[in-house]
Amino acid sequence: GEDVEQSLFLSVREGDSSVINCTYTDSSSTYLYWYKQEPGAGLQLLTYIFSNMDMKQDQRLTVLLNKKDKHLSLRIADTQTGDSAIYFCAVGQNFVFGPGTRLSVLP
Amino acid sequence: SAVISQKPSRDICQRGTSLTIQCQVDSQVTMMFWYRQQPGQSLTLIATANQGSEATYESGFVIDKFPISRPNLTFSTLTVSNMSPEDSSIYLCSARDQPDTQYFGPGTRLTVL
Repeated sequence: GEDVEQSLFLSVREGDSSVINCTYTDSSSTYLYWYKQEPGAGLQLLTYIFSNMDMKQDQRLTVLLNKKDKHLSLRIADTQTGDSAIYFCAVGQNFVFGPGTRLSVLP
Repeated sequence: SAVISQKPSRDICQRGTSLTIQCQVDSQVTMMFWYRQQPGQSLTLIATANQGSEATYESGFVIDKFPISRPNLTFSTLTVSNMSPEDSSIYLCSARDQPDTQYFGPGTRLTVL
């Protein structure tokens, strides 16, 4: 089955850029997704990228896709304390989720 | 985008009882799903809720334990039956919209004593 991996923790200083990485095994997904989960809340769809794209930018968010290496990343520019959350990538026809990366933003 | 609501938002239940969670979507969607998120874990798909027919369960989940209904294109229920403390988790409803994007409800936080 699909295997999706992420680093579990990331700490950055406020104002720096954050890069959250995701690797996967299934290359059949048309779209690949990033979700954000704040404490005690459900999942918020942040952004997604179509599989025939290399990059997508949406305000402070940049998604990079390397299909050859099956690597997806989410870059958050000018990271703020409100960005502290768990970030999940999801790939594949059946929306298989990675384990989530807990982003901590230090003042 | 689809807006999804769930009831209840949280509950504390006794061992051996059952709880039914309701999920309402503000628009008609083709597919609805139920996920479980155990403490500190990622999401695990329980089943796909099929409108007008039996749900499709993932490996490790069975209808007797997690009966699901989906009477129309905007509503679904998940029942957690004969609960044990191991069922303590967040249960999330999800709906798939166009273009192939998936949205989540706020979740139901269940604690079983």
